[in-house]
Amino acid sequence: DIQMTQSPSSLSASVEDRVTITCRASQSISSHLNWYQQKPGKAPKLLIYAASSLQSGVPSRFSGSGSGTDFTLTISSLQPEDSATYYCQQSHSTPLTFGGGTKVEI
Amino acid sequence: QLQLQESGPGLVKPSETLSLTCTVSGGSISSSSYFWGWIRQPPGKGLEWITSIYYSGSTYYNPSLKSRVTISVDTPKNQFSLKLNSVTAADTAVYYCAGSTTSFWFDPWGQGTLVTVSS
Repeated sequence: DIQMTQSPSSLSASVEDRVTITCRASQSISSHLNWYQQKPGKAPKLLIYAASSLQSGVPSRFSGSGSGTDFTLTISSLQPEDSATYYCQQSHSTPLTFGGGTKVEI
Repeated sequence: QLQLQESGPGLVKPSETLSLTCTVSGGSISSSSYFWGWIRQPPGKGLEWITSIYYSGSTYYNPSLKSRVTISVDTPKNQFSLKLNSVTAADTAVYYCAGSTTSFWFDPWGQGTLVTVSS
């Protein structure tokens, strides 16, 4: 199985800060990396697919980068509504696996 | 717009079978664009992929659960289902159904349903 490791596990930042979350795969996954946002009591929401493609309707302050084993989710200007837990997911091979999550507090 | 909704018992006894159904609306479950899958999340923990199925019947299972899991599609009802047998308290979780592209990123998701395993 491909292990996905996210860092940090939590962070606190201020409105308009630039926030970066890292996801590392235990082996190369090319660009098969997706990011989700989950708010309490809600289903995850797809933000970024294929490492850097912005899902339709997602604000442009969210961006993704990386390939191989190291990936980054960046929020360019943190907004109050971005308070949530963020998960990465590899879709390179089954079993599909998720990172442990990063909780972002404002 | 595609929408998914989970249904099934919220309480299952240990050693019994957990059965959930996901109803797809706003589109056909026979679409060649989608796989249909189940993901679960124990309370306060992260996400675990369980299984996915293509409308044609091709299936993928998480090896950690494969011996206990069955996924199936009911095309006339536009539904797909999950069965997890021999459940224990460790299977207590919110269970989500989701559509994924053939590249296996998940969108859309159902709202999730909490299943508690307890006597």
